[in-house]
Amino acid sequence: QKEVEQDPGPLSVPEGAIVSLNCTYSNSAFQYFMWYRQYSRKGPELLMYTYSSGNKEDGRFTAQVDKSSKYISLFIRDSQPSDSATYLCAMNGGGSNYKLTFGKGTLLTVNP
Amino acid sequence: SAVISQKPSRDICQRGTSLTIQCQVDSQVTMMFWYRQQPGQSLTLIATANQGSEATYESGFVIDKFPISRPNLTFSTLTVSNMSPEDSSIYLCSVGTSGGALTDTQYFGPGTRLTVL
Repeated sequence: QKEVEQDPGPLSVPEGAIVSLNCTYSNSAFQYFMWYRQYSRKGPELLMYTYSSGNKEDGRFTAQVDKSSKYISLFIRDSQPSDSATYLCAMNGGGSNYKLTFGKGTLLTVNP
Repeated sequence: SAVISQKPSRDICQRGTSLTIQCQVDSQVTMMFWYRQQPGQSLTLIATANQGSEATYESGFVIDKFPISRPNLTFSTLTVSNMSPEDSSIYLCSVGTSGGALTDTQYFGPGTRLTVL
């Protein structure tokens, strides 16, 4: 079993839809959870950053972490064509356990 | 957030040659990292570039193949040596977001897209 599992998609939705992206993980030591957005031919861009369980909202984006289920989610409301990208989840234990473990990424296309 | 640049942005190289990739950050950072991103794969950490000492390599990566320099707190290079087509990949540098030696998350550069023929 891989440490982080992420459905690679591709996921195609119409503009305005609510998008749900998910990752599961196996390492209970993970404490910090991130979502990166990567446009084609660009480096990953840090989108959301959450510590431990709970929700975090930033504009149209909401990150959820359920440590009891080892499951994290990113919701995108009112999705836009500019949201079309690959979304990568990443996580680490924090502190001296700073190395990030990444999912493979989910390719999202938002159709106008 | 830190502004990170990489050179070159892309290159096509012949088998057996070497390529040095540069990473420049607009502020001093303690932690710098080098990753490889192969198609359909997760980002894989190659090594942590330590200022003033040898890089710390991950399992499966060796200094002879991927020598790294870190002469100061804003700059690092990664060399891909004696290249083969299997080295074709995107190479990314990243920096830790906290100012100290410990970091919780990272910012990434734009990447270098390498094709080996």
